[in-house]
Amino acid sequence: KNQVEQSPQSLIILEGKNCTLQCNYTVSPFSNLRWYKQDTGRGPVSLTIMTFSENTKSNGRYTATLDADTKQSSLHITASQLSDSASYICVVDSNSGYALNFGKGTSLLVTP
Amino acid sequence: DADVTQTPRNRITKTGKRIMLECSQTKGHDRMYWYRQDPGLGLRLIYYSFDVKDINKGEISDGYSVSRQAQAKFSLSLESAIPNQTALYFCATSERTGTEAYNEQFFGPGTRLTVL
Repeated sequence: KNQVEQSPQSLIILEGKNCTLQCNYTVSPFSNLRWYKQDTGRGPVSLTIMTFSENTKSNGRYTATLDADTKQSSLHITASQLSDSASYICVVDSNSGYALNFGKGTSLLVTP
Repeated sequence: DADVTQTPRNRITKTGKRIMLECSQTKGHDRMYWYRQDPGLGLRLIYYSFDVKDINKGEISDGYSVSRQAQAKFSLSLESAIPNQTALYFCATSERTGTEAYNEQFFGPGTRLTVL
């Protein structure tokens, strides 16, 4: 069964600090891995998309890494801001173009 | 994403009632999707449509039906709502591309549905 596991479930950090969120997956076949940011009461918004051949991708202060051999990904947030408070969702596409496998998300709270 | 709109944003209804959730998009995308999100669970696919004449069941289609009235409109219906259909519902769209590698999905703001 395809699974996407995220850790930690929740995280609290001080404004300005860095943090790293983890994603492990057992999805086959594999097409791409995405990280989404979901603000409370809003729909998910894409941060990065990585295919099998890409091992890192950045979007501003967000940097995602992918190790396709170990089936692990991480999302690193640099110099966190209060607006980074959200749920971060790891999503793996099994080459279907439609059937995405969603993780449960990591809830991040950035405090002043 | 303002290009994908959902109505209503919030709805409270009673068990047994018929409910329709609507989704409209101005992105010009061919593909549209309906998901539900429950606390502590990942998003799950209910139905998806690759064009007006192509509608497919997703992971959890039981108790739901859909209608693709036009390229830009995709509605989700609960024929007889039950309490365990209380959830946050999202519509999403994506563009048909030559490769599925970057089939990015754009989500609407969601509809919070409560079935009493």
